[in-house]
Amino acid sequence: GAVVSQHPSWVICKSGTSVKIECRSLDFQATTMFWYRQFPKQSLMLMATSNEGSKATYEQGVEKDKFLINHASLTLSTLTVTSAHPEDSSFYICSASSSGVAYEQYFGPGTRLTVT
Amino acid sequence: GQSLEQPSEVTAVEGAIVQINCTYQTSGFYGLSWYQQHDGGAPTFLSYNALDGLEETGRFSSFLSRSDSYGYLLLQELQMKDSASYFCAVRAGGYQKVTFGTGTKLQVIP
Repeated sequence: GAVVSQHPSWVICKSGTSVKIECRSLDFQATTMFWYRQFPKQSLMLMATSNEGSKATYEQGVEKDKFLINHASLTLSTLTVTSAHPEDSSFYICSASSSGVAYEQYFGPGTRLTVT
Repeated sequence: GQSLEQPSEVTAVEGAIVQINCTYQTSGFYGLSWYQQHDGGAPTFLSYNALDGLEETGRFSSFLSRSDSYGYLLLQELQMKDSASYFCAVRAGGYQKVTFGTGTKLQVIP
């Protein structure tokens, strides 16, 4: 149980284009989803927390107009990187919590984004 | 804000025991979690401590001392597959907010 999928697993895009990453909870309803980014050999940095049906809460320093998050249903959240630039290249990981209690998060496999 | 400190690397022998420490500075502390991440993969949840003491789950145990703002992950009977990065994470500063430590890369050698 508690499986989270992400799509795509990797993507290469040109600078200036937008990329959408999907995060799905496959066998449970995720009241809360989290989006992280991780640079090589570094820790996970929380970007935003999203609750189904409401606006995402962004961490300080994360541009909400650049990283658009939508949590349209209890099983799907999307992250859209708009007008991507090479510095946005990173490993993006989503996680989901079924009860809204963040201590047990189930992570997706991650999406490696490369912006050329 | 929250800050967590972990050793960056630890090397241990197969079959041995290793302890990975984590110290933290937070406001509004709820609990400490541990995650394992293999290279190129996503983190997987290992344990969570909200109260002082030791929690045991198979070969892995996790300890918390709230008064000392300190916790550790104990891995017993190390196996080669335990080679991975281990992150402590605090739930603090907001009920849903989780902040990850810098991670400890564990290398298990024969």
